[in-house]
Amino acid sequence: EDKVVQSPLSLVVHEGDTVTLNCSYEVTNFRSLLWYKQEKKAPTFLFMLTSSGIEKKSGRLSSILDKKELSSILNITATQTGDSAIYLCASQTGANNLFFGTGTRLTVIP
Amino acid sequence: DTAVSQTPKYLVTQMGNDKSIKCEQNLGHDTMYWYKQDSKKFLKIMFSYNNKELIINETVPNRFSPKSPDKAHLNLHINSLELGDSAVYFCASSRTDTFAEQYFGPGTRLTVT
Repeated sequence: EDKVVQSPLSLVVHEGDTVTLNCSYEVTNFRSLLWYKQEKKAPTFLFMLTSSGIEKKSGRLSSILDKKELSSILNITATQTGDSAIYLCASQTGANNLFFGTGTRLTVIP
Repeated sequence: DTAVSQTPKYLVTQMGNDKSIKCEQNLGHDTMYWYKQDSKKFLKIMFSYNNKELIINETVPNRFSPKSPDKAHLNLHINSLELGDSAVYFCASSRTDTFAEQYFGPGTRLTVT
């Protein structure tokens, strides 16, 4: 059965801290790994990863895929209160399907 | 201008009714999607539609049917609504069918009583 597992389920940090969110996947015919940020309403796309070891970066956020370990991490440096959100990881399969994890709820306190 | 819009934002209806949710994107994207997010925030893809090709998640009941009058619209029709259909439904679009850089609509909160 295809599945995506994220950890931790929730995380509380202080502004300025660095956090690492984890995502592991077991899917058939893996095609890509995607990260999304969901604040109050709709998810917003962050990264799409297809190749192992190549870091994708956007400002203070970065992500990398490890196909050998079937996992990905999302790093956020110098966290701000605006980073508080649910971070969703999803894996695309060869059947053009998308499986989501349950998300990590990040809370950044001033 | 809103990139992906959905109407209505809220929908409250009784079991057994038939309802529709509309979605429009003005991004010129080729692929559109429908997602369901339950009360625990678990997100699940229901359909993707690209160049008239419909890909259905096999777990979606056939009471749900997408209708695309043109490339910019993908509406969701739900027949014989059940309590378990209560959720937030998101429409999304992307330039290609790889899920990359999807833009999500604001969501429609459906409550079935």
